[in-house]
This record gives sequence, C-alpha cells and structure tokens, in this order.
Amino acid sequence: GAGVSQTPSNKVTEKGKYVELRCDPISGHTALYWYRQSLGQGPEFLIYFQGTGAADDSGLPNDRFFAVRPEGSVSTLKIQRTERGDSAVYLCASSFTGNTNTGELFFGEGSRLTVL
Amino acid sequence: LAKTTQPISMDSYEGQEVNITCSHNNIATNDYITWYQQFPSQGPRFIIQGYKTKVTNEVASLFIPADRKSSTLSLPRVSLSDTAVYYCLVGELAGRRALTFGSGTRLQVQP
Repeated sequence: GAGVSQTPSNKVTEKGKYVELRCDPISGHTALYWYRQSLGQGPEFLIYFQGTGAADDSGLPNDRFFAVRPEGSVSTLKIQRTERGDSAVYLCASSFTGNTNTGELFFGEGSRLTVL
Repeated sequence: LAKTTQPISMDSYEGQEVNITCSHNNIATNDYITWYQQFPSQGPRFIIQGYKTKVTNEVASLFIPADRKSSTLSLPRVSLSDTAVYYCLVGELAGRRALTFGSGTRLQVQP
C-alpha cells in the first residue's frame, strides 16, 4: 500500500498473555519507529530501527517488550506477560533516509491494545 | 535530545490566525524543528519543518529566530477542521536518530 500499515487495528487480551503487533512501512523507507501513546499524552518513543538493526531501543520500558525487523521492512513489536498498564495505542512510523530526506515521519493509524 | 515546551492548550475561532510557540533552549547545531498535527484516532501527520528564519507551505508558516531557541507555528485563518493536537519536535532529520514528542498543544477552534 501507499502508507504505513499496522495490524491489528484493535487487540483485546488478558493480563499475562503474549501479544504481537505488526508494522508494514512505506516501501523503500529504511528507518522505522515504534511509539506508544496513552490517552491525553504525546507519543512515547520505544525503539528505532535503521535497516534490520535496532539503532536505539532506549525507550523500551522493560524486558517484556521486544521488537524485530529481520528483513529491514516489516517490523513486529512483541509484548510478553502483558499488564493492564500496557494498554495504549501503539504507533509505527517510517522515514526515508536518503540524500533527499525531508525529515518527515509517516505514521500508521496505530494498534489499540487493551489488556483486561 | 533537546527538550521542548509548548502551551498545553489554546482556543481560537474560525477565521483567526493562530500562533503556537515552542521553546527549545538547548537545541543543537544539527537539530531541525518539525511540527506535527494529530487528530483523534489517527497517527501524527507532518505539517512543516525548518532550520532557521521562516518557512512557509500551503498549510502553515514556521518562524524561527536567529538564536533558534524557540519557534512559532502560524496557522492562517483556522477552521473547525484545524482542531487537533500540535506537537513540536526538535532533533536531527527523521531517520537519523530517535525523535521525541512532547505533550503537544491542544487547539480547539470554535465556530
């Protein structure tokens, strides 16, 4: 597609369960970001990929959170042993990093996670 | 990463010009200033970006003084559809390092 695609758009799970959230960035974008947004707050940085590698994972809150991007395109955010405090909208963004980089992040619509 | 400070909220009426100022006292030499707009249930959307002086596009203008310690997003003749949250980001161009959002400014446009 033309934009950043995130699936699922909505996920309801029970406390303690494992969750995977998927992000399909814009084709050709080498940079990929994950953010988490709680109600009434700005997006909170989680992790940033440049190609296949995590260039900065300093925003991951704890070791229950992990993200991969094995082929430098699609990324999966994985949350183990979910807690009610993990409930939020998880946003993915991608960006082009070539010489004509305009500095723009393109965001998906987000995946709303609810942990009961 | 440069920290930003913006007003929490602003109110305006349709047809007025709205100016939202962002403070970023510790902006670095390689940092750009970028503004995003976010509607409910959507991801943020890029509005405008600048490094110094003034930048204008079809949506907004961005004014940056010589010391670059602040910037002002100007929205001419706002409409109801401009009701949204506006975020000021300061950092290197996207794709070169992590970018941090603040709490943003919630703009409410009244008829």
